[in-house]
Amino acid sequence: DAGVIQSPRHEVTEMGQEVTLRCKPISGHNSLFWYRQTMMRGLELLIYFNNNVPIDDSGMPEDRFSAKMPNASFSTLKIQPSEPRDSAVYFCASRPQGDTQYFGPGTRLTVL
Amino acid sequence: GENVEQHPSTLSVQEGDSAVIKCTYSDSASNYFPWYKQELGKRPQLIIDIRSNVGEKKDQRIAVTLNKTAKHFSLHITETQPEDSAVYFCAAGPSGAGSYQLTFGKGTKLSVIP
Repeated sequence: DAGVIQSPRHEVTEMGQEVTLRCKPISGHNSLFWYRQTMMRGLELLIYFNNNVPIDDSGMPEDRFSAKMPNASFSTLKIQPSEPRDSAVYFCASRPQGDTQYFGPGTRLTVL
Repeated sequence: GENVEQHPSTLSVQEGDSAVIKCTYSDSASNYFPWYKQELGKRPQLIIDIRSNVGEKKDQRIAVTLNKTAKHFSLHITETQPEDSAVYFCAAGPSGAGSYQLTFGKGTKLSVIP
């Protein structure tokens, strides 16, 4: 298994542009998480899906952020419009039945 | 909600020495405590975890201890090697059906000096 796949690995964009991050979870995993990692705040949970349904989006910073999971093998995190303070590494993680979360390689986002 | 404090933020040890990283948590409902290792530019990877029904767990050179009464848990790495150099994160959260919320510590940057 290739593990959790994320794309792109790096994204540089200008303030005001729309950014879409993509995630393919491990096959058979029914839970998916989006995290943001910064030096100041560490790893923060943005949103949690179970069986493709958003269960907890209380960590989504504001309305500029949205996430979807149209099927069991694909999820997106969209930022529109992007701002410099959104610069961070965004991780997707998936989980089978059980507690262990498996992280993807992350997307390093830079908003100029 | 849960609050996890992790210390130290940086740790340097000589190769072959032991390293200890400590975490405290606030929510007594937490009963799952994983540790992740993140090498520079890489994904966090689970190295060991412990649940509240045990006080200690070992896997080769790595061990984790848990004190539920005091609400703290620790990672112990013995006979450190240069490849142990990374950032280590502790986390705490509930376990079992319907549980999902993991709260992470801020991380400890471990440097093993050859």
